[in-house]
Amino acid sequence: DQQVKQNSPSLSVQEGRISILNCDYTNSMFDYFLWYKKYPAEGPTFLISISSIKDKNEDGRFTVFLNKSAKHLSLHIVPSQPGDSAVYFCAASVPSSGGSNYKLTFGKGTLLTVNP
Amino acid sequence: DGGITQSPKYLFRKEGQNVTLSCEQNLNHDAMYWYRQDPGQGLRLIYYSQIVNDFQKGDIAEGYSVSREKKESFPLTVTSAQKNPTAFYLCASSIPGRYGYTFGSGTRLTVV
Repeated sequence: DQQVKQNSPSLSVQEGRISILNCDYTNSMFDYFLWYKKYPAEGPTFLISISSIKDKNEDGRFTVFLNKSAKHLSLHIVPSQPGDSAVYFCAASVPSSGGSNYKLTFGKGTLLTVNP
Repeated sequence: DGGITQSPKYLFRKEGQNVTLSCEQNLNHDAMYWYRQDPGQGLRLIYYSQIVNDFQKGDIAEGYSVSREKKESFPLTVTSAQKNPTAFYLCASSIPGRYGYTFGSGTRLTVV
């Protein structure tokens, strides 16, 4: 059962416009969410995160919105740049049941292409 | 510079052979993880370790084995029991708390 879903395998936008990547989750125990960016043949790199006690977190061109009642989060990139072209993964974690490290559950990813 | 090193970047294996993927970190992170990426499948957790000499199975541990004898190292062995081993393998590490993971650059394993 897929607990973190990214239903759009790909998204194409024009340079300068807004990119909106969506993520839905089913596990109501998730309380922390992250977005990672991945280029081909490289490891993912952390972009931005949000705790369930917030509904918005902003970092430069990147903003993540969380709607807990809908179990939905989205990543907004404004303005989009060609260098943003990559696969974006949504990830989530539950409160730790023992140790202080947290397992992440990832979605399948969305390939963003920003056209010049 | 601190980071995670995965080696080799590309690995070819004959069917029926075991192969070990290396993962070393100098970030002084307690926890380490192995994920597998397949096209259209996202990242799936194979094994993770929160402390030296301790590790737990993830969602797809069958056909894999790990060890954690040193804090810096978390090698993954892909055994001949793994039915579909061709994939991109990612190692990650983290510190306690909600700080996310640091990933290595990955190893692409191809069975020939």
